[in-house]
Amino acid sequence: GQQVMQIPQYQHVQEGEDFTTYCNSSTTLSNIQWYKQRPGGHPVFLIQLVKSGEVKKQKRLTFQFGEAKKNSSLHITATQTTDVGTYFCAGDNTNAGKSTFGDGTTLTVKP
Amino acid sequence: GAGVSQSPRYKVAKRGQDVALRCDPISGHVSLFWYQQALGQGPEFLTYFQNEAQLDKSGLPSDRFFAERPEGSVSTLKIQRTQQEDSAVYLCASSLGLAGHSTQYFGPGTRLTVL
Repeated sequence: GQQVMQIPQYQHVQEGEDFTTYCNSSTTLSNIQWYKQRPGGHPVFLIQLVKSGEVKKQKRLTFQFGEAKKNSSLHITATQTTDVGTYFCAGDNTNAGKSTFGDGTTLTVKP
Repeated sequence: GAGVSQSPRYKVAKRGQDVALRCDPISGHVSLFWYQQALGQGPEFLTYFQNEAQLDKSGLPSDRFFAERPEGSVSTLKIQRTQQEDSAVYLCASSLGLAGHSTQYFGPGTRLTVL
């Protein structure tokens, strides 16, 4: 079945440094979503990408969807302590809502 | 309501007991999803409802797991004869439109511990 891999599993950065997490799917995706989960919390939707090569920005966050629609990345510029949490990508290859989540990248930020 | 709510928030069960987990989606949301999240992993899809119709239950791990949404709003996930490997956080999510076309809003989850 469909597999979604995320790297790295953990990332520790100094406040102000940049951060990137990568997501790779074994199959071509209809769309990909990104979520943030704070420690002890639940996933919170960040964004959905649909088009090949799409790039979307939300303040310090930049999301990319690969040309082949099999990979994606999330880049945070100048991290802040409020960015701490686990970032998940979730891919849907059917457009029927059955998304496969990666295992996430856990970001810690040292002030 | 303000968001998706789930109850109970925590459940401890002895192996072999049956449990029922409740999800109250955002009012008016058509789609409802159940996920299972083990420690340190991403949520895994269990099942999906469009209104009262269960359109996909391919993620349910065994026939001990059963979900329903009889009136197209509140949903219940039932696990019969719980086993230790069922210990996880069970997340419910709802979305306004059809699956794959609108944002999923997650509830706080129910943490199930099977002793």
